[in-house]
Amino acid sequence: KAGVTQTPRYLIKTRGQQVTLSCSPISGHRSVSWYQQTPGQGLQFLFEYFSETQRNKGNFPGRFSGRQFSNSRSEMNVSTLELGDSALYLCASSPKARTVNTEAFFGQGTRLTVV
Amino acid sequence: AQSVTQLGSHVSVSEGALVLLRCNYSSSVPPYLFWYVQYPNQGLQLLLKYTSAATLVKGINGFEAEFKKSETSFHLTKPSAHMSDAAEYFCAVSEEWGAGNMLTFGGGTRLMVKP
Repeated sequence: KAGVTQTPRYLIKTRGQQVTLSCSPISGHRSVSWYQQTPGQGLQFLFEYFSETQRNKGNFPGRFSGRQFSNSRSEMNVSTLELGDSALYLCASSPKARTVNTEAFFGQGTRLTVV
Repeated sequence: AQSVTQLGSHVSVSEGALVLLRCNYSSSVPPYLFWYVQYPNQGLQLLLKYTSAATLVKGINGFEAEFKKSETSFHLTKPSAHMSDAAEYFCAVSEEWGAGNMLTFGGGTRLMVKP
């Protein structure tokens, strides 16, 4: 069974631009979560989607948004990029949303560098 | 609100020595607890999880963790360190209701293994 796939793996953008990251969950998984990992702030929850609906959102500005498609694939978008948005963005998928003891499977991440 | 504290951002052990990585949590409800490992430029891999079935949890690669409610701790141990255990380890908590698959992570502990 293929794992969680994130594309692209590496990305360099300029301040002020916008970026879209993609996540394909494990087949059959309906919940997708996004996390930002930085040396200073560690791993922080961005948002979670289940059946195309955002279920939870972390404490991030509105420049960060996401969506989920009917095939459970998810995208996150960051507009008006700032230097501080440079981070590893991780996507995780789970089979269900309501059972919190369900394991979350993580992708390898997208390394975003803003210059 | 839930939170996780990992004592020691860096831990160094000799190969063959005991590994002990500390994790304390704060949660207003009975928590679900997880340990993840991250190798350089990789995503997170689940080592083990506590879901109230048993207080001593065995995971992959010889790791185990014990849930101690009175101490609000979930420390990770391995009897004998191997060079391949060198990585960053994250403790995470998820509450039962309303959090879906949202994980709150500790700051991480980088484990170094000396030959």
